[in-house]
Amino acid sequence: DIVMTQSPDSLAVSLGERATINCKSSQSVSYSSNNKNHLAWYQQKPGQPPKLLIYWASTRESGVPDRFSGSGSGTDFTLTISSLQAEDVAVYYCQQYYSTPTFGQGTKVAIK
Amino acid sequence: EVQLVESGGGLVQPGRSLRLSCAASGFTFSAFGMHWVRQAPGKGLEWVSGISGNSVDIKYADSVKGRFTISRDNAKSSVFLQMNSLRPDDTALYFCTKRISAQAPFDFWGQGTLVTVSS
Repeated sequence: DIVMTQSPDSLAVSLGERATINCKSSQSVSYSSNNKNHLAWYQQKPGQPPKLLIYWASTRESGVPDRFSGSGSGTDFTLTISSLQAEDVAVYYCQQYYSTPTFGQGTKVAIK
Repeated sequence: EVQLVESGGGLVQPGRSLRLSCAASGFTFSAFGMHWVRQAPGKGLEWVSGISGNSVDIKYADSVKGRFTISRDNAKSSVFLQMNSLRPDDTALYFCTKRISAQAPFDFWGQGTLVTVSS
């Protein structure tokens, strides 16, 4: 199975500041046939199920604010929240769908 | 409106069985693969099992292989997870989720049903 490793495990950011979460896969999740990275990001707020934010590493799901962006390719990916809002407090997970789905361990984002 | 509503969770003794159900609505059920993902208390997400729209392709995590069985009834827009030989480390919130293909993210999740395995 592909192992997904996120960093950091947690971070605290001031309101309006940038939050950056990294995700590394143990092997490439990029298919040469479609030149796409099979990588998604989810947001999970307390007491709620996960919500899809980003897929194909950088495509925002419909309705997701544009302060959320994804980047990266191959084995290294990043989720950026450009200006942290109070409602962004959550745990964020990366997930690969290149093969049998696996998730990163999660990154908890809090307000400083 | 898309809905996934899980049911069937509860407290069960080690070694016993439980059957989870997920009722779907608001989308063409047979067109989507359906999956179960679990989350142990205070922990991260673990994919458990998935079934394709036509039930041809079925997969399990190694941790549940041989103990859990996934199935679906497209006529009733429902997916099931039969869990046998339950162990304490199966204790988790079990989410039902969907995706359009094997090469796609999980685009919607239910609220989950809690399974607690304890004597």
